[in-house]
Amino acid sequence: GAVVSQHPSRVICKSGTSVKIECRSLDFQATTMFWYRQFPKQSLMLMATSNEGSKATYEQGVEKDKFLINHASLTLSTLTVTSAHPEDSSFYICSAREQGAGQYFGPGTRLLVL
Amino acid sequence: GESVGLHLPTLSVQEGDNSIINCAYSNSASDYFIWYKQESGKGPQFIIDIRSNMDKRQGQRVTVLLNKTVKHLSLQIAATQPGDSAVYFCAEGLGGYQKVTFGIGTKLQVIP
Repeated sequence: GAVVSQHPSRVICKSGTSVKIECRSLDFQATTMFWYRQFPKQSLMLMATSNEGSKATYEQGVEKDKFLINHASLTLSTLTVTSAHPEDSSFYICSAREQGAGQYFGPGTRLLVL
Repeated sequence: GESVGLHLPTLSVQEGDNSIINCAYSNSASDYFIWYKQESGKGPQFIIDIRSNMDKRQGQRVTVLLNKTVKHLSLQIAATQPGDSAVYFCAEGLGGYQKVTFGIGTKLQVIP
């Protein structure tokens, strides 16, 4: 149980385009979903926390207009990287939390902006 | 506090030996401490957690020790196997798992 999926697993895009990443909890309802970013050989950095039906809470230094988060249902959250640039290339990982339980992580999405 | 991006320290151990991975945490208010394993190109995988009111917890081949006096956490892996090779992250949980902050990882290399 407690499986989280992400789509796509890998995406390559041109600079200036927008990219949408989906995060789904497959067998549980996630009251809260989290988005992390991980650069090579570094730790996971929390970008934002989203609760179903409400606006996401962004960590300090994360631009909310650049990283749009939509948590439309209890099983789906999306992260849209708008006007992506090469410095946005990273490994994006989501996690989902069921009420009163732990965080379960997705497999990650590798974004490469050319 | 926020984790800082640094190059990962590496621990090399012989297959069959025990491994000890250490971590220093920063927030005295954290009520959960978690160890995750991350293989290359994958998301973190939960290994074991411990509540702040405990000092030791055992799982299958793994033991987590918590020393709140010096804000230190360790993960012991018994009889390390090649499949244990990965990056291990400690993390602090605030409000349970409401907010999880990752520490600096340690790369574990198991020598066959």
